[in-house]
Amino acid sequence: DAGVIQSPRHEVTEMGQEVTLRCKPISGHNSLFWYRQTMMRGLELLIYFNNNVPIDDSGMPEDRFSAKMPNASFSTLKIQPSEPRDSAVYFCASSVGTGTEAFFGQGTRLTVV
Amino acid sequence: QKEVEQNSGPLSVPEGAIASLNCTYSDRVSQSFFWYRQYSGKSPELIMSIYSNGDKEDGRFTAQLNKASQYVSLLIRDSQPSDSATYLCAVNGGATNKLIFGTGTLLAVQP
Repeated sequence: DAGVIQSPRHEVTEMGQEVTLRCKPISGHNSLFWYRQTMMRGLELLIYFNNNVPIDDSGMPEDRFSAKMPNASFSTLKIQPSEPRDSAVYFCASSVGTGTEAFFGQGTRLTVV
Repeated sequence: QKEVEQNSGPLSVPEGAIASLNCTYSDRVSQSFFWYRQYSGKSPELIMSIYSNGDKEDGRFTAQLNKASQYVSLLIRDSQPSDSATYLCAVNGGATNKLIFGTGTLLAVQP
């Protein structure tokens, strides 16, 4: 079975550009999480969805960040405009139901120059 | 106070020894607890889940949960150099489904 699929794996962009990260959860999973990982702050929860509905976006750092889940098999995290401090590894994870085990994608390494 | 706290380490143990990793959490209504392993440059990989007080064993790994003390731990028996990684503790609030991670403990197993 395919795991969580993220694209792109690596993204290098210039400051001010729009960046879109993509995630396909495991089929049948109805919870989806977006995380950001840096050396300084560790793995931070940005936003999570249950049944395609955003439940808690309190971890989204600024209005420059937005996330959508138009259907059960696809989610995007968009940063507009991007800044150098957004450089990090962004992970998507999915799980079945609530309180259950979550499985991670391979991550997107974002570098904003 | 952080929601999930871990000692960042590094925790250094000799090969064959028991490695003990600890985690505390602040939300008393937390329902589900997980340990993930993350190798450098890779994504977190689930290794253990525990939902009720007591011990849960899986091969060389034992997870321990004490909800009264808001404490969860992971023991790795017969540690191997391949166990060297960062171990992340994660806590889920249950009804809210909010999955929060600690900053991780770096484990180094010395050959």
